Amino acid sequence: GAVVSQHPSWVICKSGTSVKIECRSLDFQATTMFWYRQFPKQSLMLMATSNEGSKATYEQGVEKDKFLINHASLTLSTLTVTSAHPEDSSFYICSAMDREQFFGPGTRLTVL
Amino acid sequence: AQSVTQLDSHVSVSEGTPVLLRCNYSSSYSPSLFWYVQHPNKGLQLLLKYTSAATLVKGINGFEAEFKKSETSFHLTKPSAHMSDAAEYFCVVSDQLQDSGYALNFGKGTSLLVTP
Repeated sequence: GAVVSQHPSWVICKSGTSVKIECRSLDFQATTMFWYRQFPKQSLMLMATSNEGSKATYEQGVEKDKFLINHASLTLSTLTVTSAHPEDSSFYICSAMDREQFFGPGTRLTVL
Repeated sequence: AQSVTQLDSHVSVSEGTPVLLRCNYSSSYSPSLFWYVQHPNKGLQLLLKYTSAATLVKGINGFEAEFKKSETSFHLTKPSAHMSDAAEYFCVVSDQLQDSGYALNFGKGTSLLVTP
């Protein structure tokens, strides 16, 4: 089956710094990738839809200047959390579209 | 937008007994419905999906779900639970996007505990 990877799997950073998370489709090309956020013991919330070569579409309430998404190629999308704060600590999950969505293993971000 | 409601946040069963995880959906048209499983420290895995073909959908690991339009339900079942089934289960409905296929709307999840 299709494989999606995320890097890093976990990251700890200081408040005010920026963190980049990569999402890669390893064995297929994905025109569309999605970014989700999951709080402990809660569901996944869609943050944005990322289309290769165009600007991401953000869900209501998601700050596009804080969560920068770049989908530079058909196999790579990146999420950059800018000026991270403790409330940004969460589990971030990406998925890539190949007739269905295939999910990455997630990245746990902890902001101190 | 389409949505799903998972009726139980926690379900506990004994190993070898049946599993029932309940899900109701809200949709203005014929939806596509999915069940995903999330094991600790692992990515979400698709168990099964319904896309307007057969109403009884068989998935991986012995799971199946039945689409019942009259009840707006899509409950997940398994005849006999295994210890390895302990995980978080999400009922999901697709929401058609204008230009990019579809996005997924997740239910709040049901935590399945399997006891020896």
